[in-house]
Amino acid sequence: DVKVTQSSRYLVKRTGEKVFLECVQDMDHENMFWYRQDPGLGLRLIYFSYDVKMKEKGDIPEGYSVSREKKERFSLILESASTNQTSMYLCASSIPGYSYNEQFFGPGTRLTVL
Amino acid sequence: QKEVEQNSGPLSVPEGAIASLNCTYSDRGSQSFFWYRQYSGKSPELIMFIYSNGDKEDGRFTAQLNKASQYVSLLIRDSQPSDSATYLCAVESIQGAQKLVFGQGTRLTINP
Repeated sequence: DVKVTQSSRYLVKRTGEKVFLECVQDMDHENMFWYRQDPGLGLRLIYFSYDVKMKEKGDIPEGYSVSREKKERFSLILESASTNQTSMYLCASSIPGYSYNEQFFGPGTRLTVL
Repeated sequence: QKEVEQNSGPLSVPEGAIASLNCTYSDRGSQSFFWYRQYSGKSPELIMFIYSNGDKEDGRFTAQLNKASQYVSLLIRDSQPSDSATYLCAVESIQGAQKLVFGQGTRLTINP
C-alpha cells in the first residue's frame, strides 16, 4: 500500500512565524504535490515537484516555497505565516503514467495562524 | 469559468436510492478523469478513474464520461449512509502533464 505521511495533523502558529510542513512518501514516487483546501474552493495546487530538486509553481504559490532534497520528502514552507493561510494542507504523490496519474493523499495538516 | 465545476450541494438521497453526481470541465483535450471521496476531516481517496467515453462500473459505482459534452458523472447505486461524504471530481490538466485540477466537491448525504 502507498503511504503518504504528513508531519502534523494539527498545527497552531502565530502571524509572522516561519512554518514548515513535511510530507514523506514510501513508494518511490517521482511526483509530489502540495494543495490547500478551503470550504467552497476545493483543492488548489500550491506547488509540485517532478523530481528531486525540481519544483514548479501551481495556481496559488504566493507566500509559499518548497524544498525537495530527497525523493521521498517534499516540504512546504510558509516564510511568514499570515491569517489567510489558515487552511487544510494536503500532500499527494504519484507515479507518472500509473493509473493515468492517480494521486495518493496524505492525512492532511490543519494549520491555524493566529 | 472554472476549469472543473461541480454542484456543491448538499445533495440529499434516501438510503437505497441512486445518487447521481455530475461534473463538467472546460479543457476539451483532457484525457483522464477521477472521482475521489472525502469523509469529513479525512483526506481524499480514489473511488474510480475513467478515460474512455461511456460507462465504467465497479461494484455499486458507475462512472460515465461524455467527452463531446465535456461532462463526467458518478452514479452510486443502493446508496448507504456510509456513502455520505464529499465527492471530488478531478481532471488531468492538459497544461501540465500529471497535474490534476479539482472541482469544489459535492457534499452527499444519504438519509436512512
